[in-house]
Amino acid sequence: AQSVAQPEDQVNVAEGNPLTVKCTYSVSGNPYLFWYVQYPNRGLQFLLKYITGDNLVKGSYGFEAEFNKSQTSFHLKKPSALVSDSALYFCAVRDMSGSSNTGKLIFGQGTTLQVKP
Amino acid sequence: NAGVTQTPKFRILKIGQSMTLQCTQDMNHNYMYWYRQDPGMGLKLIYYSVGAGITDKGEVPNGYNVSRSTTEDFPLRLELAAPSQTSVYFCASSYSPGTNSPLHFGNGTRLTVT
Repeated sequence: AQSVAQPEDQVNVAEGNPLTVKCTYSVSGNPYLFWYVQYPNRGLQFLLKYITGDNLVKGSYGFEAEFNKSQTSFHLKKPSALVSDSALYFCAVRDMSGSSNTGKLIFGQGTTLQVKP
Repeated sequence: NAGVTQTPKFRILKIGQSMTLQCTQDMNHNYMYWYRQDPGMGLKLIYYSVGAGITDKGEVPNGYNVSRSTTEDFPLRLELAAPSQTSVYFCASSYSPGTNSPLHFGNGTRLTVT
């Protein structure tokens, strides 16, 4: 079965420090991986995706993610955190079950990022 | 472009009542989805549609129905509301899964069933 896990419910980091939000996945075949961010009372916003190619993917707002096939991980990173980065972050993998690509995503549980001044 | 618009933003239902959550998008996306979000559980797919007239069940379809008569609209129907349907509901759309284009989400409908 395909799945995504975010092992940390919450990550706390001081402003200006690097941040990492962890994600591991389990799929058969090549994974298509995504990160989304959710601010309070809003829908999810796309940050970045990994389809193929370079293992380091750059996205919106200075975020990047590192794909590691051997560790089946896709951790979200940012070199210098901002207070405004505080939000709920979701990792997701494309659901490739069935005969065609319907665009369905399987989401992790979410990780709350708290950046303190 | 308004993107994906959901109405209402909030609703309180009594057990056994019915309602329709509205979702419309103005991006001419063929693919649309309904997810529910529960604390600590991430998002679970309820129903999805790959085009007008075509719908299919997701992971948690029980207690819900959908229709897709136009490309723009994808309403979600709750026939007999139950407390277990208390959740935040998100509608999303995408251009083409074949290109792995991202999902665009609405701002959600927060539903409470008491």
